[in-house]
Amino acid sequence: SQTIHQWPATLVQPVGSPLSLECTVEGTSNPNLYWYRQAAGRGLQLLFYSVGIGQISSEVPQNLSASRPQDRQFILSSKKLLLSDSGFYLCAWSVSLRRTEAFFGQGTRLTVV
Amino acid sequence: AQKITQTQPGMFVQEKEAVTLDCTYDTSDPSYGLFWYKQPSSGEMIFLIYQGSYDQQNATEGRYSLNFQKARKSANLVISASQLGDSAMYFCAMREARGAGSYQLTFGKGTKLSVIP
Repeated sequence: SQTIHQWPATLVQPVGSPLSLECTVEGTSNPNLYWYRQAAGRGLQLLFYSVGIGQISSEVPQNLSASRPQDRQFILSSKKLLLSDSGFYLCAWSVSLRRTEAFFGQGTRLTVV
Repeated sequence: AQKITQTQPGMFVQEKEAVTLDCTYDTSDPSYGLFWYKQPSSGEMIFLIYQGSYDQQNATEGRYSLNFQKARKSANLVISASQLGDSAMYFCAMREARGAGSYQLTFGKGTKLSVIP
C-alpha cells in the first residue's frame, strides 16, 4: 500500500533562518506531488506541484522554493524565513487527479518567531 | 472570484442526526471532479468522497453522500447519523484541468462541524 511521510511535525524557527521540509512517498512510482499551505482558520493554498523529477511548478510568488531530487521525494525550502511563512504545510500525492483523490501527509506546523 | 465557496463557517448538529454541508463551485472545465476532505484537530486531511462531473449518480461512501446538482453547480456533503468523531473541519475541493495534461485541486475555506452529544 502507498504511504506518505512528512517531517518534522512541528517546527519553530527564527526569522531569517533557512527551512527544509521533506516529504517522501512509498509504494507508488511517478506520483504527482504537491505542497499546500494552510493559514490559521483558512483553506488550503497550493504552493507547488511536480509531475516528475526536477519538474516544479509554482502557483504563487513567495519566499519559498521546492525541489524534487528523486521520484518520490519532494522538498520545500526557504533561504530566509519571514514571519508570514508561519502556517500548516501539507504535502500530498496523487496518481492522477483526473479520477483519483490526493492523499495527504500528516502536515508540518511551522511557527516563525 | 472564488472557485469553491463554502458559505457555512461553522455548523452544529445533534448526535445521530443528519447534516448537510454546502459547497458551490465555478469552473469552465467540462470534465471536473469534486472532493470532500475531513480535517480533524490533528491536522491530517482525510479523503471522504469523490464526484466526477460526468457521473450520473450521486456518490455515496458509507455515511457520506454527495448531493450533486450540476445545473446549480453545487456539491453538498450529507453526513447521516452524525457521530462525535465527525467533529472536524470539512473542505470541499475541485479538480480542474490546467492544460498540458496537468490538473489543479482548489480548496474552499472549510466548514467547522461540531457534533453535540
